[in-house]
Amino acid sequence: SQTIHQWPATLVQPVGSPLSLECTVEGTSNPNLYWYRQAAGRGLQLLFYSIGIDQISSEVPQNLSASRPQDRQFILSSKKLLLSDSGFYLCAWSATANYGYTFGSGTRLTVV
Amino acid sequence: QKEVEQNSGPLSVPEGAIASLNCTYSDRVSQSFFWYRQYSGKSPELIMSIYSNGDKEDGRFTAQLNKASQYVSLLIRDSQPSDSATYLCAVNDAGGTSYGKLTFGQGTILTVHP
Repeated sequence: SQTIHQWPATLVQPVGSPLSLECTVEGTSNPNLYWYRQAAGRGLQLLFYSIGIDQISSEVPQNLSASRPQDRQFILSSKKLLLSDSGFYLCAWSATANYGYTFGSGTRLTVV
Repeated sequence: QKEVEQNSGPLSVPEGAIASLNCTYSDRVSQSFFWYRQYSGKSPELIMSIYSNGDKEDGRFTAQLNKASQYVSLLIRDSQPSDSATYLCAVNDAGGTSYGKLTFGQGTILTVHP
């Protein structure tokens, strides 16, 4: 069966520090991968999606970037965090468009 | 811009009652519709998917879709306190591509009280 792993679970980082969040999927090949952010009390905002290695599409211009160095690995990065980057970051995968997404357990990021 | 609208609630129902959650969407070409449940501090969990007009039942959950009205709903029968969560409506605008981007509503907070 397929599983999705996301880490770390929680992170407290100072303003201006770098960020790296990692997500991996097991049990499938060539998944569609997504990064979402959920700010406190708000809905899910799509940040990046990827349909293959090194194929990344950005939905929202900001100081975040994403990379997919391997088929089942998706990384979210920032060179310098802002206070507004705080939130709940969720990685998700899907096999095809019609099956919906399966989310990882999420990373709660607090920028101080 | 594609939009998915939900009543944010909170919706409060007594244990054993039917909870009715509603969602409207703006893009007429939307093809797939999903309901996710999100407990506080946890990630969303897929509970229902629906693709055709009409009703789809799974245990105590029934999803209803009306594409002409651009409306999708979720009924929870015999509501339990463990159903207390935020329910997210999501719409996929795949448009025939092999991947799809889900647009989520803001979510409806459901509270089931004993």
